[in-house]
Amino acid sequence: KQEVTQIPAALSVPEGENLVLNCSFTDSAIYNLQWFRQDPGKGLTSLLLIQSSQREQTSGRLNASLDKSSGRSTLYIAASQPGDSATYLCAPQRSFNKFYFGSGTKLNVKP
Amino acid sequence: GAGVSQSPSNKVTEKGKDVELRCDPISGHTALYWYRQSLGQGLEFLIYFQGNSAPDKSGLPSDRFSAERTGGSVSTLTIQRTQQEDSAVYLCASSSTGPRNEQFFGPGTRLTVL
Repeated sequence: KQEVTQIPAALSVPEGENLVLNCSFTDSAIYNLQWFRQDPGKGLTSLLLIQSSQREQTSGRLNASLDKSSGRSTLYIAASQPGDSATYLCAPQRSFNKFYFGSGTKLNVKP
Repeated sequence: GAGVSQSPSNKVTEKGKDVELRCDPISGHTALYWYRQSLGQGLEFLIYFQGNSAPDKSGLPSDRFSAERTGGSVSTLTIQRTQQEDSAVYLCASSSTGPRNEQFFGPGTRLTVL
């Protein structure tokens, strides 16, 4: 079974900082990897999807990288804002119908 | 519709009662997933539908849980004889087929069993 670990579990930073969220997974034979954010009491919002043939994806201030061989993905957030405060989840996809979720990194960006 | 919708948003029920949770996927998405998220826990896979294929029910925790998908669109998750440990947020997601099968989630149904 795919084990997904996200470090740190929680992070509090002042507004404007650049930060890195880490995701590691035990089974490197993945299909795609998706990053989500979850606001309290809400569903998940898709941020980025990295296909297995890709090494990174960028969307605005977000950049996600994928190193399948080492079982790692990182989400880089540039110039953080209070609106970025949420829980961030990574989900490697083992097969077409099997996504495995980490427990998330809870981010608090202080004004 | 513009996104995945779920109803009801909140459901409070008494132990032993049956409940039905509904999911409307994004139009044209052939894949539909149900997950459960308990307080402070990660997402637990429940069931997966893909087109007209037999669903993958491997994540259903007991035979009290069942789901169906009518006409390849709307899905209903049914929990019979609810127990307090069924209390959780039930999330539905849909995706298209192909290499970029990005999942899009609904807002969830918060189920509380008293």
